[in-house]
Amino acid sequence: GENVEQHPSTLSVQEGDSAVIKCTYSDSASNYFPWYKQELGKRPQLIIDIRSNVGEKKDQRIAVTLNKTAKHFSLHITETQPEDSAVYFCAASLTGGGNKLTFGTGTQLKVEL
Amino acid sequence: GAVVSQHPSWVICKSGTSVKIECRSLDFQATTMFWYRQFPKQSLMLMATSNEGSKATYEQGVEKDKFLINHASLTLSTLTVTSAHPEDSSFYICSARDRRGDEQYFGPGTRLTVT
Repeated sequence: GENVEQHPSTLSVQEGDSAVIKCTYSDSASNYFPWYKQELGKRPQLIIDIRSNVGEKKDQRIAVTLNKTAKHFSLHITETQPEDSAVYFCAASLTGGGNKLTFGTGTQLKVEL
Repeated sequence: GAVVSQHPSWVICKSGTSVKIECRSLDFQATTMFWYRQFPKQSLMLMATSNEGSKATYEQGVEKDKFLINHASLTLSTLTVTSAHPEDSSFYICSARDRRGDEQYFGPGTRLTVT
């Protein structure tokens, strides 16, 4: 089955700096890669996703890059703000049908003033 | 759009009793729903995949007779934790997938505490 590794487990940045979280996956057939933000005690919320037919996607301060050859994808947050502090999870799956998500272990991001 | 609700949001039960958690897709039809368990400071672990009208597919190590899943309609799936024990205490989250896309929409979660 799919295995997703995520690094770092914790990340502390100063407000306004950029944050980068990296994930690798094992199944070359995976083709859908979402990123979720989860605040304490809340549901995971999709912040951005990418499919294997593109290498990069951006939405305002958030961007995701995908390297299919190396089987890794990264989340980039620019101009970080205190409200960006949360746990971020990457995931991988196959599109279509009832294909399940395999989650990374999570990154606790702390944006300090 | 794409709202998923869960009920109850939290529940406390005594060891040996059963607890039912409901997951509803409010504004879309969910052909597939997923049930996850999340322990403190850990990732989401998939327990089972639930398809409307058919038996759930359980992940390895998840006891199907202990965690009963029913997906009777395109908008409702239920998870029943039978003969609950303190080690079953966790945050249970469901998600639903719209038939038109790949995105999973998560419910707000249910905090289960077994005393």
